[in-house]
Amino acid sequence: DTAVSQTPKYLVTQMGNDKSIKCEQNLGHDTMYWYKQDSKKFLKIMFSYNNKELIINETVPNRFSPKSPDKAHLNLHINSLELGDSAVYFCASSATVTNTEAFFGQGTRLTVV
Amino acid sequence: DAKTTQPNSMESNEEEPVHLPCNHSTISGTDYIHWYRQLPSQGPEYVIHGLTSNVNNRMASLAIAEDRKSSTLILHRATLRDAAVYYCIPRASGTYKYIFGTGTRLKVLA
Repeated sequence: DTAVSQTPKYLVTQMGNDKSIKCEQNLGHDTMYWYKQDSKKFLKIMFSYNNKELIINETVPNRFSPKSPDKAHLNLHINSLELGDSAVYFCASSATVTNTEAFFGQGTRLTVV
Repeated sequence: DAKTTQPNSMESNEEEPVHLPCNHSTISGTDYIHWYRQLPSQGPEYVIHGLTSNVNNRMASLAIAEDRKSSTLILHRATLRDAAVYYCIPRASGTYKYIFGTGTRLKVLA
């Protein structure tokens, strides 16, 4: 069983469209994250949630709206997609207790054309 | 957030030990030092973490300097599968994020 799974793995869409990426973890973790890895391979945190509550929003444009329906899921909805949104998006989860390891999904490669 | 400095890239021969250094001179006393790696086309993967004492697990060893301003990840016998970007991440207690720097790209030569 995959610990952190994301769907879809690849997403190609046109500018201006709205799209969602789904993430699920089966580890029983309380904290989930979204990261963005751009073309230069820099991994940057976007959001973190703890027990379905938003904890961190790292100055992400409000076109990006995360939603956590329950502790096991953290979805990312993106409105009005722009070329600059093209990147690989990673979901991750960890236990709330600090200094435990995080588990990452395999990533969703988003290409905006 | 503590800043980290790692070499951009390193090379190693297969079956030889590799020492990957990281400077984190602004680390605070309660920050744990985490190491993650990212294999090509995959998500980051946990390697090891520690606070003050050296740590060992099945993947690697972590040597932490006495002043905690630097650490070294040790892969005892590098394999081709260990070719990846390795990130050292000081993580403060009570934070809900892992801050990735630029990491060290490790190339393993057959």
